[in-house]
Amino acid sequence: GQQLNQSPQSMFIQEGEDVSMNCTSSSIFNTWLWYKQDPGEGPVLLIALYKAGELTSNGRLTAQFGITRKDSFLNISASIPSDVGIYFCAGQRPPGSGNTGKLIFGQGTTLQVKP
Amino acid sequence: DSGVTQTPKHLITATGQRVTLRCSPRSGDLSVYWYQQSLDQGLQFLIQYYNGEERAKGNILERFSAQQFPDLHSELNLSSLELGDSALYFCASSGRQGVGEKLFFGSGTQLSVL
Repeated sequence: GQQLNQSPQSMFIQEGEDVSMNCTSSSIFNTWLWYKQDPGEGPVLLIALYKAGELTSNGRLTAQFGITRKDSFLNISASIPSDVGIYFCAGQRPPGSGNTGKLIFGQGTTLQVKP
Repeated sequence: DSGVTQTPKHLITATGQRVTLRCSPRSGDLSVYWYQQSLDQGLQFLIQYYNGEERAKGNILERFSAQQFPDLHSELNLSSLELGDSALYFCASSGRQGVGEKLFFGSGTQLSVL
């Protein structure tokens, strides 16, 4: 099925560093969501974006809805050990695009933070 | 706490067996989704129910089935289990359909088929 291209696949960084990850698609989306999954737990919604160009923050996390509507970015500033986990992007296609409206998930970015 | 409850947390069974996973959505949410997450895999959409009716189907095997009951809880039935069915199974609920929909996930059921 259709998937989003999420990159990087994994990151290993030093505590205090900033992190950037993104999701891209060849198709237009009208909603972008970013989730974080801790080991053994379900994904937790971090940020939701509904408008092209929208920039939204949640603490040290900032996400942007790309102007082309085909991509989204998530940045984490001053990373800390508890940022460890898998980050998923999810997008929803516009009505009439042949999609039932269900969310399409990226493959995830695994983040490891070295204290 | 997302408000979505899944039971059991862990399930260990043998090949050929049948199991039932249960999900209670957030209070007021009419829509329930089931996802499968295998090792090193992303979230694979299985099936969606809305207010008791099947709304969308993803990559769900014929050996798997689901239903949503009048009280809105949902069950995912997995039969003739194979080793490859070992995975984390997540349920998610949503209160809003279409544009702007957000999914809230449960903690998952870890299924191990031995």
